[in-house]
Amino acid sequence: SQTIHQWPATLVQPVGSPLSLECTVEGTSNPNLYWYRQAAGRGLQLLFYSVGIGQISSEVPQNLSASRPQDRQFILSSKKLLLSDSGFYLCAWRGPVLTGTEAFFGQGTRLTVV
Amino acid sequence: GENVEQHPSTLSVQEGDSAVIKCTYSDSASNYFPWYKQELGKRPQLIIDIRSNVGEKKDQRIAVTLNKTAKHFSLHITETQPEDSAVYFCAADKAAGNKLTFGGGTRVLVKP
Repeated sequence: SQTIHQWPATLVQPVGSPLSLECTVEGTSNPNLYWYRQAAGRGLQLLFYSVGIGQISSEVPQNLSASRPQDRQFILSSKKLLLSDSGFYLCAWRGPVLTGTEAFFGQGTRLTVV
Repeated sequence: GENVEQHPSTLSVQEGDSAVIKCTYSDSASNYFPWYKQELGKRPQLIIDIRSNVGEKKDQRIAVTLNKTAKHFSLHITETQPEDSAVYFCAADKAAGNKLTFGGGTRVLVKP
């Protein structure tokens, strides 16, 4: 069966520090991968999605970036965190079909920038 | 790009009553509309979805309706129970879009 791992679960980082969140998927090949951010009491904002290795689409211009160095690995990064980067970050995957497949979410990372 | 609006942002109902959440979407090419439930501190999970070739779909106490002409879809929960308390998200996607755009979420509180 397919599983998705996301870590760390919680993170407290000072303003201006770098960030690296990692997400890996097991049990499937060529998944579509996503990074969402959920601010407190708000909806799910799509940050990046990827349909293949090295292919990244950015939805929101900001100081975050994403990379997909391997088929089932998706990394969210920042060189310098801002206070506004605080939130709940969720990684998700969908099957390698055009549309209409369920998204499976990781457990999420609660990031607090202080 | 696609824009999904969701209303209301919060909904309080008495146990046993019905709850209705409505979403509108902007891209007429969207053809897949899932609903996710997120319990406090947990990850969102799919509860029901509907495709554009269907007007209504039911699964026990939950149902979803779709009006393609008006570009809106709704989630209906009947006989609400305390365990239905959660945040519910609607979403929209289109063929070859690969993206899944979510609404802003509805916090549902079922009062016993």
